[in-house]
Amino acid sequence: EDKVVQSPLSLVVHEGDTVTLNCSYEVTNFRSLLWYKQEKKAPTFLFMLTSSGIEKKSGRLSSILDKKELFSILNITATQTGDSAVYLCATQGYGGATNKLIFGTGTLLAVQP
Amino acid sequence: GAVVSQHPSRVICKSGTSVKIECRSLDFQATTMFWYRQFPKQSLMLMATSNEGSKATYEQGVEKDKFLINHASLTLSTLTVTSAHPEDSSFYICSARAPRDSYEQYFGPGTRLTVT
Repeated sequence: EDKVVQSPLSLVVHEGDTVTLNCSYEVTNFRSLLWYKQEKKAPTFLFMLTSSGIEKKSGRLSSILDKKELFSILNITATQTGDSAVYLCATQGYGGATNKLIFGTGTLLAVQP
Repeated sequence: GAVVSQHPSRVICKSGTSVKIECRSLDFQATTMFWYRQFPKQSLMLMATSNEGSKATYEQGVEKDKFLINHASLTLSTLTVTSAHPEDSSFYICSARAPRDSYEQYFGPGTRLTVT
């Protein structure tokens, strides 16, 4: 059975801290791994990772994929209260019905002032 | 570009009634749309994959007779929750995939369904 597992389930930090969120996966058909940020509504896209070892960066957020060890990390540096959200990772397969996203359990991040 | 809308954003209905949720791609044609359900403090669970002009593919454990999906055009998919029960109360989110972006999915804002 395909599964995507995130850790930790929740995390409380103070503004300015750096956090690392983890996502591991076991799926039969893997093309890419995606990270989303979800506040109160639908998820907003952060990154799509397809190749191993290539860091993707956007402002204070960065992410990298390890296809050998089957995991990805999402780093957030100098956290702000606006970073408080649920962070979801998902895997996506190749073509047809396997184009669907399999979501992980999510990590609830709370950034305190 | 790539905007997906859902309607309604929030709905309250009585047990036993049916509710229809619409998912529209506003500025692109979506050959495939996906319907997800999210319970409080849980992740998104895929319910079904909807392809324009054909029957939806349901995930294991999702009742196709209870969650009716119609993808009648390239810009509209609907999810009808039939004979709703309180346990169907959830956040329903759709996403749409454009043909030109084979793997990109664009999410709608979600619909909060409460069954009383």
